[in-house]
Amino acid sequence: DVKVTQSSRYLVKRTGEKVFLECVQDMDHENMFWYRQDPGLGLRLIYFSYDVKMKEKGDIPEGYSVSREKKERFSLILESASTNQTSMYLCASSPGTLREQYFGPGTRLTVT
Amino acid sequence: QKEVEQNSGPLSVPEGAIASLNCTYSDRVSQSFFWYRQYSGKSPELIMSIYSNGDKEDGRFTAQLNKASQYVSLLIRDSQPSDSATYLCAVNIRTGNQFYFGTGTSLTVIP
Repeated sequence: DVKVTQSSRYLVKRTGEKVFLECVQDMDHENMFWYRQDPGLGLRLIYFSYDVKMKEKGDIPEGYSVSREKKERFSLILESASTNQTSMYLCASSPGTLREQYFGPGTRLTVT
Repeated sequence: QKEVEQNSGPLSVPEGAIASLNCTYSDRVSQSFFWYRQYSGKSPELIMSIYSNGDKEDGRFTAQLNKASQYVSLLIRDSQPSDSATYLCAVNIRTGNQFYFGTGTSLTVIP
């Protein structure tokens, strides 16, 4: 079975803090993704990566950055957390172009 | 127009009935289509993938794709209370790795 893990299930941070969300997959997948999910807005793509050290902006990259130093690990960084970044953050991985995505359990981030 | 649209529901069906979930998409060149199930407070779980026109069956689930009409549907036969969840449709847009998700249809199966 594909396994995607995320570093925290719940996280509470203060406005202005730098926040790191970690994602690890164990299936040697090429592609990895970061989404946020908000009620009524669905899943929105923040960033994705199709190779080590490669990254592409999704639909809502503002206020976020990513890092992929190893194939199995994809990190999402909130440079200066704001209250409008309170959300559920979901990481996913995929074996290749146009293929299915497998999701981690999610991190519910609250910024106060 | 949104890239992927679903009726948000809620959709209620009695136990044992067929649940029908629909999704339309905007990009004619889309090639990959997926259905995910998401229980409250959990992450999406892949149910079905479909890549070519027609029907694809997996147990109680059938995905139907009609590229000419740009819709994809999911049928759940013999619906069970455990099928109560939100169902997300996902479609690749243009080429490459980016997928768009619908906002989901909430399904309740009534015992």
